[in-house]
Amino acid sequence: DTEVTQTPKHLVMGMTNKKSLKCEQHMGHRAMYWYKQKAKKPPELMFVYSYEKLSINESVPSRFSPECPNSSLLNLHLHALQPEDSALYLCASSQGGGGSRAGANVLTFGAGSRLTVL
Amino acid sequence: QQQVKQSPQSLIVQKGGISIINCAYENTAFDYFPWYQQFPGKGPALLIAIRPDVSEKKEGRFTISFNKSAKQFSLHIMDSQPGDSATYFCAASNEDSNYQLIWGAGTKLIIKP
Repeated sequence: DTEVTQTPKHLVMGMTNKKSLKCEQHMGHRAMYWYKQKAKKPPELMFVYSYEKLSINESVPSRFSPECPNSSLLNLHLHALQPEDSALYLCASSQGGGGSRAGANVLTFGAGSRLTVL
Repeated sequence: QQQVKQSPQSLIVQKGGISIINCAYENTAFDYFPWYQQFPGKGPALLIAIRPDVSEKKEGRFTISFNKSAKQFSLHIMDSQPGDSATYFCAASNEDSNYQLIWGAGTKLIIKP
């Protein structure tokens, strides 16, 4: 199984809602990532979990809260978002730890969750 | 110093032609240079990657050319097909970036039948 599965594919939420994005991989990868991608732009790194511990937080606002319940699952909890947070949220995984040379080698991305904040 | 500059922003190539996308970087410590391909509605997928100890890497119709002295690398797609129409991102990483990818701005490639 060489997939990263993200749910939901589409999410519309109001600014006062609380929702979560979910990501799952069964490749035995030890690092998992959240990226945000705006239209016609490259992915922007948000968080990296390495061996289930948060290793990188790219100064993301606290209205985004990541969680890694186990080595296969990654969640992104959303609360009090702004319309400018509307974007494609991509989950990725890599074989090595997120801060290691080996970990940088190959990122496997999911198809993303398209988020619209009204 | 941590930037990767990608050009062109968009590219239209006839079917069967050669597509060429270029990237330039400043940080000579970068030691890993991948290209990712992204189709609409999908996440990026690794296409091909190179390390600076080689000047060229070929996988099927896709070739990376790497010029260490010029601090440039490029993606060549031979015999371009309509199915190659996608957005292509170059990237680079090294210890300075904690091995996280520094992405180019992307190139939208359209192959005309």
